[in-house]
Amino acid sequence: DGGITQSPKYLFRKEGQNVTLSCEQNLNHDAMYWYRQDPGQGLRLIYYSQIVNDFQKGDIAEGYSVSREKKESFPLTVTSAQKNPTAFYLCATGQGGTDTQYFGPGTRLTVL
Amino acid sequence: GIQVEQSPPDLILQEGANSTLRCNFSDSVNNLQWFHQNPWGQLINLFYIPSGTKQNGRLSATTVATERYSLLYISSSQTTDSGVYFCAVPEGGAQKLVFGQGTRLTINP
Repeated sequence: DGGITQSPKYLFRKEGQNVTLSCEQNLNHDAMYWYRQDPGQGLRLIYYSQIVNDFQKGDIAEGYSVSREKKESFPLTVTSAQKNPTAFYLCATGQGGTDTQYFGPGTRLTVL
Repeated sequence: GIQVEQSPPDLILQEGANSTLRCNFSDSVNNLQWFHQNPWGQLINLFYIPSGTKQNGRLSATTVATERYSLLYISSSQTTDSGVYFCAVPEGGAQKLVFGQGTRLTINP
């Protein structure tokens, strides 16, 4: 089955804990992205990667970290330094540049 | 950076009605995308429309790049059209998309 998978669907975290959100794709897309969505808001870019072993900060990278060791995978770690981590996190892929981006189903993170 | 504004913020209609959603952007763009976010949060690509008009069934979109706006038309609305509609444009030549705040569409039976 093709597409973009994100796991887990729901994630609960205690304050002070780091958590890692998974994003996997089998579309053979070069570029991958992480966005954050807060209730009633649009999406904001956290990090993006155009190629394996390279990534760039987006608008709201503070408190987050990523890695891109494989073309298919772009995990996002929400660290304890992120002040307000409760949000809906969406992963996207594309061929890069200004080409169309496609989104995964998202992970809802709640900090208890 | 580029600003993206969508209107109206909320729209409530009866099934069968037509609607027009607007997206204004503050700078020249070479790409614009429309998305539908369903009640479960999934973003679904509707159109990739840097200029001109495209149609897909009951949905169509028009982008007038020189005047910096795009319109999304939904005809004969169905309850399954409910959700939030976003437009997004790339910032400069960069990889990131800048999203509007969305239009929340509610179609009542």
